[in-house]
Amino acid sequence: AQSVTQLDSHVSVSEGTPVLLRCNYSSSYSPSLFWYVQHPNKGLQLLLKYTSAATLVKGINGFEAEFKKSETSFHLTKPSAHMSDAAEYFCVVSEWPGRRALTFGSGTRLQVQP
Amino acid sequence: DGGITQSPKYLFRKEGQNVTLSCEQNLNHDAMYWYRQDPGQGLRLIYYSQIVNDFQKGDIAEGYSVSREKKESFPLTVTSAQKNPTAFYLCASSIDRSGGAKDTQYFGPGTRLTVL
Repeated sequence: AQSVTQLDSHVSVSEGTPVLLRCNYSSSYSPSLFWYVQHPNKGLQLLLKYTSAATLVKGINGFEAEFKKSETSFHLTKPSAHMSDAAEYFCVVSEWPGRRALTFGSGTRLQVQP
Repeated sequence: DGGITQSPKYLFRKEGQNVTLSCEQNLNHDAMYWYRQDPGQGLRLIYYSQIVNDFQKGDIAEGYSVSREKKESFPLTVTSAQKNPTAFYLCASSIDRSGGAKDTQYFGPGTRLTVL
């Protein structure tokens, strides 16, 4: 069975400082991993995904994540936060074979202080 | 302009009434999904469909029903049997041509349902 744990429910950073959102996963098979972002009352937008190619994945808006199998982690980072990055971020796992839907973490709310 | 549309954006319902949420996609995707989101939680899967005229229950299907008569459409009915229907509902779609875990899901803007 697959599961996802987002280690922080809230993260607050100052504008221009680095962002780190932590995610651990468990999976019985080779997983694909995703990060989605959700702005208030909006749908989810895909930031990036890992599908067994390069372990360092670059996404949109300057975000990137590194897949570490030994640590079962897929942390999301960004070198310099912008005010527009304030949102809810979800780490998501999908595995094959298995069910054809996603398993979501509980989310991390990122606040960016001016 | 390709994408997923959900309507309405906000929906109010009286207790005991059924209500249907619309989801349409013009991405030519085979698979479609319905999720429910509650405050402070991730998304939970209600139903999904990999092909027309076929669908499977997700983790929280009780009190919900779906149909998939057309590839483009996957409406969700919230019935009076759903004990706590107030939530944000998100529809998604993916190519799912046996792409397995690499298949990316794309989400609509959501419908916020409030039971009065």
